[in-house]
Amino acid sequence: EAGVVQSPRYKIIEKKQPVAFWCNPISGHNTLYWYRQNLGQGPELLIRYENEEAVDDSQLPKDRFSAERLKGVDSTLKIQPAELGDSAVYLCASSLRSWGGGHEQFFGPGTRLTVL
Amino acid sequence: GIQVEQSPPDLILQEGANSTLRCNFSDSVNNLQWFHQNPWGQLINLFYIPSGTKQNGRLSATTVATERYSLLYISSSQTTDSGVYFCAVYDSGGGADGLTFGKGTHLIIQP
Repeated sequence: EAGVVQSPRYKIIEKKQPVAFWCNPISGHNTLYWYRQNLGQGPELLIRYENEEAVDDSQLPKDRFSAERLKGVDSTLKIQPAELGDSAVYLCASSLRSWGGGHEQFFGPGTRLTVL
Repeated sequence: GIQVEQSPPDLILQEGANSTLRCNFSDSVNNLQWFHQNPWGQLINLFYIPSGTKQNGRLSATTVATERYSLLYISSSQTTDSGVYFCAVYDSGGGADGLTFGKGTHLIIQP
């Protein structure tokens, strides 16, 4: 069974440019998460989707970040415009339905973003 | 929100040694996972263990939910065990709607 797929694996852009990350979750997983991992830290949640609905986006910086999960499968996370402080690894994870948070989460390989 | 503390922050061992990594959390949880982040950044699931004890080869884990801690045991360490080990919990009290991670234990296994 294929795991969580993310692309691109690496992205280097100049500040003020837009950037987008794509994620395809494990087949059958209704819940999709985007996390951001800064150097030397653990991942931190940005947004959670149940099917196509964003049920928790309280940690997403809405002035420049946006996300969508059309048709409840693939998801795209966008930053526009990027700032130097956005340099990090962006991780996508998926799980079965998250009622009570009791389901195991599986992570993709991440996209390493460098903003110059 | 829930706090997750991992210890030790860094650990250097010789190949063949055993180690114990600890994870303390500040509130009740209904999901606890241990991950190994390899040098390429991939988070590899080790255990899904909200309570009890599990074993997988040279690795085992125990979570005592009533006392709010979990332990990861690595026996007969190999150089491929090097990397960062993360504990992550899901707050059953209605906090952040995803996993809350500790800062990790950076393990180096020397040949």
